[in-house]
Amino acid sequence: EVQLLESGGGLVQPGGSLRLSCAASGFTFSSYAMSWVRQAPGKGLEWVSGISGTGDSTDYTDSVKGRFTISRDNSKNTLYLQMNSLGVDDTAIYYCAKKVAGNRPFDTWGQGTLVTVSS
Amino acid sequence: EIVMTQSPATLSVSPGERATLSCRASQTVSSNLAWYQQKPGQAPRLLIYGASTRATGIPARFSGSGSGTEFTLTISSLQSEDSAVYHCQQYNNWPPGTFGQGTKVEIK
Repeated sequence: EVQLLESGGGLVQPGGSLRLSCAASGFTFSSYAMSWVRQAPGKGLEWVSGISGTGDSTDYTDSVKGRFTISRDNSKNTLYLQMNSLGVDDTAIYYCAKKVAGNRPFDTWGQGTLVTVSS
Repeated sequence: EIVMTQSPATLSVSPGERATLSCRASQTVSSNLAWYQQKPGQAPRLLIYGASTRATGIPARFSGSGSGTEFTLTISSLQSEDSAVYHCQQYNNWPPGTFGQGTKVEIK
């Protein structure tokens, strides 16, 4: 069974940092591009960052460029999101999601981890 | 960036009736359009991709249509378990694969 399990969320003060993880199982992790998608309270879905199967290509939405870093460890079947300089607008549930490389939809999502930025 | 607009924001439908949801793109996305279902407290689930192809395990009462900038998700006979928020997403221009703001389907 294909599974994605996020962890690492929590309460952090503005300006703080947090590292999210997404443990994958049930598929050949290195064959799939991965992304982080977030959902602020009561809002729609927003793609945050993506990484290729090999990890040599990454992309970010403009609002997180220079603050967030996506990475993956294919030997551990794990995706990461290092989040620095967090602001209240970063408060959201963060989902990891997988897709085939190229113009394809997300075929599997994790259950999400909540990040709350508040003083 | 392509903007996706969904309508209506909320749809109230009686069990057994048809539900029709719309999604409009600010510029053409060809057929690179997906629909996701999200129930309260759960992650989104892929329903439709390629504008009209049902994902694995999705019941036949869900169907998608459209191309270019206008898309429709139809639930032919609404069941109680279909109460959810439905999101459309374009993946023609990647990144980012932009989402609509969602349509909430309620059971009347």
